[in-house]
Amino acid sequence: DAGVTQSPTHLIKTRGQHVTLRCSPISGHKSVSWYQQVLGQGPQFIFQYYEKEERGRGNFPDRFSARQFPNYSSELNVNALLLGDSALYLCASSHNAWGTEAFFGQGTRLTVV
Amino acid sequence: DQQVKQNSPSLSVQEGRISILNCDYTNSMFDYFLWYKKYPAEGPTFLISISSIKDKNEDGRFTVFLNKSAKHLSLHIVPSQPGDSAVYFCAASAWEDNNDMRFGAGTRLTVKP
Repeated sequence: DAGVTQSPTHLIKTRGQHVTLRCSPISGHKSVSWYQQVLGQGPQFIFQYYEKEERGRGNFPDRFSARQFPNYSSELNVNALLLGDSALYLCASSHNAWGTEAFFGQGTRLTVV
Repeated sequence: DQQVKQNSPSLSVQEGRISILNCDYTNSMFDYFLWYKKYPAEGPTFLISISSIKDKNEDGRFTVFLNKSAKHLSLHIVPSQPGDSAVYFCAASAWEDNNDMRFGAGTRLTVKP
């Protein structure tokens, strides 16, 4: 069985641009969460979706948005990129509605220049 | 505001000995705690969890202890194996908001043969 897959693995964008990150959860998992991890810190919660509905939102600006599709895959969108958005973006899928006991993908390394 | 803290960035132990990883939290609303393991170039993997109604949870070589009064939890690995070498993240969530997992910064465990 495939694990959580994320694309792309690496991405370089310039300030002000928009980016879309994609995630496919483990088959059968209906919950997808997004996390941002900067160097030297643990993952920070951005969004959680369950059954295509937003179940939780972390302390991130409105430039960050996400959605979940009928096949439970998900996209994270970031508008008006700032240098500080450079980070590893992790997607996690879970069998439960709260997104805990999650399985993480390898992440997308976003660099904003 | 870092609500989950792992004060030891690294830990080195000999194969066969016990590894003890520590985690402190400040939010008394947290009632569900998890440990994740992360190998290089991979996303974090769920390892073990404990709810606040327990003070101990065991799974094979891994045991998590929770001391609610001290707002402290620890992960014990006995016996430690070289394959346990990884970064370990502690995470916590509150029942009312348990899709928002708060992670510590991680502890890098090295198990020497």
